[in-house]
Amino acid sequence: DTGVSQDPRHKITKRGQNVTFRCDPISEHNRLYWYRQTLGQGPEFLTYFQNEAQLEKSRLLSDRFSAERPKGSFSTLEIQRTEQGDSAMYLCASSYGQWETQYFGPGTRLLVL
Amino acid sequence: LAKTTQPISMDSYEGQEVNITCSHNNIATNDYITWYQQFPSQGPRFIIQGYKTKVTNEVASLFIPADRKSSTLSLPRVSLSDTAVYYCLVGDIGSGYSTLTFGKGTMLLVSP
Repeated sequence: DTGVSQDPRHKITKRGQNVTFRCDPISEHNRLYWYRQTLGQGPEFLTYFQNEAQLEKSRLLSDRFSAERPKGSFSTLEIQRTEQGDSAMYLCASSYGQWETQYFGPGTRLLVL
Repeated sequence: LAKTTQPISMDSYEGQEVNITCSHNNIATNDYITWYQQFPSQGPRFIIQGYKTKVTNEVASLFIPADRKSSTLSLPRVSLSDTAVYYCLVGDIGSGYSTLTFGKGTMLLVSP
């Protein structure tokens, strides 16, 4: 399967802990996106990269959130000092260029206790 | 970004054709219309995209009237596995829309 992969698929953590998620995009895709989805809502954009450059960040991305894509391949999303409100599904998507379809991964479901 | 309005939910039976309509009254000239499907605990999956008139692929058809203020996703002969949430999105591909703005989508329930 050469689709977008995310790891882990599920994460349970205690409030105040740091968590890191990984996304591996489709290999030839130069754009990578992060979204957050809460129950009953559609995905909300967080940030995106073109190659290794982070080009846009949503106001939803507080200073506790940081994303990297160091070599323009995989990306990590870190949440520091997690809060219960961070509980959500974190989705990664990738595309080949800015005009192309975004392909989503299976998501990482985070539960903050 | 143009706002979209869809029904919250729809019910259907296996073998029927399902039409989900999306309203986007303030769609801009350069905006395209895209539909995604999402199953529980999975990421959204691209279904179809169009600008005007009719687009058809192996999964669905997309009907867009001349004024483009609405669009209809048509799923022929649905099966139980088509039970999912369907999202209508409008965005300006011409300038390379970088983000997708999802609404709450339409929950389609297909029954035997």
